[in-house]
Amino acid sequence: QSVLTQPPSVSGAPGQRVTISCTGSSSNIGAGYDVHWYQQLPGTAPKLLIYNDNNRPSGVPDRFSGSRSGTSASLAITGLQAEDEADYYCQSFDSNLSGFSDVVFGGGTKLTVL
Amino acid sequence: EVQLVESGGGVVRPGGSLRVLCAASGFTFDDYGMAWVRQAPGKGLEWVSGISWNDGYTAYADSVKGRFTISRDNAKKSLYLQMNSLRADDTAFYYCVRRRFGSGTYFDFWGQGTLVTVSS
Repeated sequence: QSVLTQPPSVSGAPGQRVTISCTGSSSNIGAGYDVHWYQQLPGTAPKLLIYNDNNRPSGVPDRFSGSRSGTSASLAITGLQAEDEADYYCQSFDSNLSGFSDVVFGGGTKLTVL
Repeated sequence: EVQLVESGGGVVRPGGSLRVLCAASGFTFDDYGMAWVRQAPGKGLEWVSGISWNDGYTAYADSVKGRFTISRDNAKKSLYLQMNSLRADDTAFYYCVRRRFGSGTYFDFWGQGTLVTVSS
């Protein structure tokens, strides 16, 4: 059971907008810690997609955006493309844990482009 | 260009030991904290262990505490994970990641992973 909860799957047609939710609690997202998102294309290592809630690393298209409110966060993808089909993971920090044992991931969401 | 290249994975029997290695290049290695994240085949991501830039602080997930040891050699720009008393549920791809800090932490670069299989 992951500390952060994501829907197992979402889908959308090319060109559509989809969102992926990430629900936490008062000890992580609700405590004000930033949320980060990773994209894992089939057969490859994860890649940083969004950091500090809504920032994109160089090279990530502006079709990807993030937001955070209360104890939840969301990843939005507009203008859906076939190449966006991947697994997406949210990640944050949990103050209930100590030291470095504070990184928490969501269970992942598989995005299918119809 | 930042590169993280893992090696040392393989098949090991339950109760056995293995050391995986990460060779870093393209950045000033001793300026950054590093960590290991694993992923069992077909499953999600799990943080395993982290280490500060100067080896002064290490931490572990409860699932590996007392069995795994993280270390680094800044002169060699290398990160290590010594894994002892391995169990079947340690079977996973082990990713070397560079850690960034802000309001919390995140991992901005990932290696390609090395597969550790624990099986008799």
